Order: sequence, then structure tokens, then C-alpha cells
Amino acid sequence: GQNIDQPTEMTATEGAIVQINCTYQTSGFNGLFWYQQHAGEAPTFLSYNVLDGLEEKGRFSSFLSRSKGYSYLLLKELQMKDSASYLCAVLDSNYQLIWGAGTKLIIKP
Amino acid sequence: IAGITQAPTSQILAAGRRMTLRCTQDMRHNAMYWYRQDLGLGLRLIHYSNTAGTTGKGEVPDGYSVSRANTDDFPLTLASAVPSQTSVYFCASSDSGAATTDTQYFGPGTRLTVL
Repeated sequence: GQNIDQPTEMTATEGAIVQINCTYQTSGFNGLFWYQQHAGEAPTFLSYNVLDGLEEKGRFSSFLSRSKGYSYLLLKELQMKDSASYLCAVLDSNYQLIWGAGTKLIIKP
Repeated sequence: IAGITQAPTSQILAAGRRMTLRCTQDMRHNAMYWYRQDLGLGLRLIHYSNTAGTTGKGEVPDGYSVSRANTDDFPLTLASAVPSQTSVYFCASSDSGAATTDTQYFGPGTRLTVL
């Protein structure tokens, strides 16, 4: 079966750095996405990785290792508004998005 | 402003009633999707459409039907609602195909309660 694992919940301090990990086992791979979802709102697109390596976009970076079936989302200089759920999703060989259950990130002052 | 709209925002429905959730996008995306999101389970695909005139079943299609008469609209119908269909429903669209990343963009969601 297809599976995406990410921690259920993480806590971090304002101004710090946090890394949210995602491991996947899917039938094929056509890219990995990270989305942010604030409570009561829709998911919004953060990043897309299809090749190994690090993609940086402001305070957020996303890393991919296809051989290890592994990705992480790195958030720097944490702000209170970063409190949200972060969803990892993989596009499989049929171009269907397989979603993780999400990681709830709690930022403390 | 381009994007996806959903209606209604929320709805309380008696079990056994028929209900259609509306979804419209103005980005001319070829693919559209319906998801439900339940606490602790993440997003689950109900139905999808790769292009106008075609639809397909996702992970949890039972009790739901869709149609795609044109590019912009993708309504989701619950023929006879049951309490287990209480959930938040998200519509999404993407520009799928070669030279695209298939990034999905989401509507604001419909919160449905079936009593």
C-alpha cells in the first residue's frame, strides 16, 4: 500500500528553527508537495520538490531525497503566524496525490 | 481575483436529504478534485475529473456523485446524506499535464453536518 508518515504534532519557540519530517512509500514518484493549513482554513501551497536537494523560499526550505523516500520542511525565524498544520503529499505514478495526515505545529512565545 | 469558490460555506442537513455542494474555478484548470477532511485522517479523495466530460473515483467515493459538464464547475452530490458524511469538504483544481507540476489549489471548504 501507499503510505506517508509525518509526526502528529510538534512544538517550537518563536524565533527558533523547526524541521518537519516526511517519509513516504508510494507506487512511483512524480513530485512531493508541502502545504500549510491554518485551523478552519483551506490548505495553501508552500513548496514542490521533484529532484533531490534543497529548495529555499524565504524562511521556508524543503528538502528531498528520493532514494530514501524522505523529505523535510524547514521553517526558520519562527513567527506566531506559523502555527498551523503542515501537510506532506506525494504525486504517485498515476499522478494521484497521496496525502499525509499532517503535522500540527504549535509555536510558543 | 482568480481562484476557486465553494458554496455553501456551511450546512446542517437532515439524514436522508439530498445535497449538492458547488465548486467553481476561473483559472481554466483542466483537473478538479473533491476531498473530505476529518480530524486525524487527513485529506481523502472522493472523486476527481481530469478534464471536462470525464470523472473518476477516488479513495472514498461511496455515497457521492459528481459531474463535469464544463471546465469551470464541478458539483458534488450526496444523494441521501448519512451522519458519517459529516465532514469538511474541499474542492481543488490543478493545471495537469506535461510541463506542469500538478500543483493543486484549494477552495475555502464547506463544513457539512448531517444529523
